[in-house]
Amino acid sequence: DIVMTQTPLTLSVTPGQPASISCKSSQSLLKSDGKTYLYWYLQKPGQSPQLLIYDVFNRFSGVSDRLSGSGSGTDFTLRISRVEAEDVGVYYCMQSLQLVYTFGQGTKLEIK
Amino acid sequence: QVQLQQWGAGLLKPSETLSLTCAVYGGSFSGYYWTWIRQPPGKGLQWIGEISHSGGTIYNPSLNSRVTISLDTSKSQFSLNLRSLTAADTAVYYCARYGPGLPGTGSFYFGPWGQGTLVTVSS
Repeated sequence: DIVMTQTPLTLSVTPGQPASISCKSSQSLLKSDGKTYLYWYLQKPGQSPQLLIYDVFNRFSGVSDRLSGSGSGTDFTLRISRVEAEDVGVYYCMQSLQLVYTFGQGTKLEIK
Repeated sequence: QVQLQQWGAGLLKPSETLSLTCAVYGGSFSGYYWTWIRQPPGKGLQWIGEISHSGGTIYNPSLNSRVTISLDTSKSQFSLNLRSLTAADTAVYYCARYGPGLPGTGSFYFGPWGQGTLVTVSS
């Protein structure tokens, strides 16, 4: 299975400040079709996960433009330009290049 | 708007079988994969397996010998059975749809999700 490793595991951020989460995969997520199968999900407290970013950098419908995804191959980053209270939760990166689909351990974002 | 609602027993004993059902409201089974994902307490998400609209299944090899996912299109439901439970199977179990719907790409994604069911395995 492809192992997804996130850092940091917890993040405490002052509102209005930026935040960044790193995700590294144990093998390249670039497929022969030219797409990179890397996704970001957010699980808000008490809720089911929800899609934020797909194919590395595409924001899902309704996702704030304060969030952006970047990266290639095995190294990826989710950035929040200005953290707000609504961003609290656990962020997961996920690969769907190959079965078994696998998730990172999760990064818990807290507000200072 | 498609919604998933799940239910099943929340407290089971070791060696028993977990049975969860997920009902799909407002959408078709065709063209999608219907999946189960679990989250042990304080841990990350683990993909359990999927069933296609035609009934084909793929399971996580780590659970393969104990898991069965089935589909009842007449009732718009799909189900998860996990046998020979141990304490390590204690988790919140989610059902989710996996399929297309992302603009500008043929990529698939998990969504919507059920509300989650906490299953505790304890003697």
